[in-house]
Order: sequence, then C-alpha cells, then structure tokens
Amino acid sequence: DIQMTQSPSSLSASVGDRVTMTCRTSQTISRYLNWYQQKPGKAPKLLIYDASSLQSGVPSRFSGGGSGTDFTLTINSLQVEDFATYYCQQSDSSPITFGQGTRLEIK
Amino acid sequence: QVQLQESGPGLVKPSETLSLTCTVSGGSINSGSYYWTWIRQPPGMGLEWIGYISYSGSTKYNPSLKSRVTISVDTSKNQFSLRVRSVTAADTAVYYCARGLGSGWTDYWGQGTLVTVSS
Repeated sequence: DIQMTQSPSSLSASVGDRVTMTCRTSQTISRYLNWYQQKPGKAPKLLIYDASSLQSGVPSRFSGGGSGTDFTLTINSLQVEDFATYYCQQSDSSPITFGQGTRLEIK
Repeated sequence: QVQLQESGPGLVKPSETLSLTCTVSGGSINSGSYYWTWIRQPPGMGLEWIGYISYSGSTKYNPSLKSRVTISVDTSKNQFSLRVRSVTAADTAVYYCARGLGSGWTDYWGQGTLVTVSS
C-alpha cells in the first residue's frame, strides 16, 4: 500500500493568511493526488483532483501542486469557512489511501 | 444534482454482518464511467477506503477488509450496497457512500451513517 504522510498535523492561521500544507507519498505516483476538506459532522468535500485541477464550484483561492512524491495544497487569503481538516488521497494504485489529515485552526 | 443517501442499521452485534445501502438520486447509477464507492471513518480518526463497484460491474476492495466485504449494485432501484461480515468493535465507524470517477477521486458523497458494533 502507498503510505501518505501529511504535514503539519495541525496548523494555526488567521483570516487573510496564505497557508500551504504538504502530502508526501511513500512511492512515486503520477498526478493522481486529490485533496478534500472536512468539517465536523460532515462528509468530505472534494477540492482538488489530479494534483492541480480545481473541482467545479470550489473557490479559486484553493490550489494544488506537486509531483512525484511531494504535493501541496495552498489556500490564499483564508476565509472563516476554510477552517477545517484537510485530507490528501492517492488514487494512483489500489488500495486508494488517505493521509491522516491536517487540521487548520483559527489563530 | 446527484445525491447519495446511506441507510441501514446503526447498531450491529459482534460477529454479525453489517449491511448498508446507498440510494442514488438525480442520475442513473448505470450512466457514465463511475465507481460507486464506500469509505469509512472511525470516530475521531481518518478516512479508510473500503472499495468500489465500477460502471462495468467489476469490484475492487481494500485488502485489509477484502475477505469480509462485498459491494453489489441493484440498477433497478438505483442503489448499491455494502456488506461486511464478522464485524468487531474495530468496524465501528461512520460509513460514507460516494461517487468516484477518473482515477478514483470522489465528487459526490452521502451524509454518512454511524454504525456501532456492540452487543
């Protein structure tokens, strides 16, 4: 199985900040890296697929990048509604696996 | 707008079988190149992919659960289902059904249903 490591595990930031979080895979994958946002008691929401493609309806302040084993999710100009937990997911090979999550908190 | 809704018992006894159904509305389960997916999340923990049944009817399961899991589809009811046999407390989780596409990302999710394994 491909292991996923997200860093940091938690992150404090203020409204208006720019934040970047990282996802590292245990082996090289193609571009099949996806990002989700989850709020308490809710299902995850797809933000980014194939490393850098913005899902329809997701604000353009969210962006994804990276290749190989290192991928990033960047949020520009944080809004109140962005404080949540973020998960990366690889869909390059089965079984599909998720990172352990990065919790984004208000400073 | 596609919507998914999980249904099934919220409490299952150890060693018994967990059975959940996902009803898809707003689109045919038969149309498009989709992967009808189950994912679970133990309380306070991360996400675990269980498996999917594809538009062609093929299935793929997480090896960690493979021997105990079956995913099936009922196109006449626009539903797909999950069965997990011989459950233990470790199977206690919120279970989500979702629509997968492309390489396997999931764009529509159900709201999730909590299944507790306890006697």
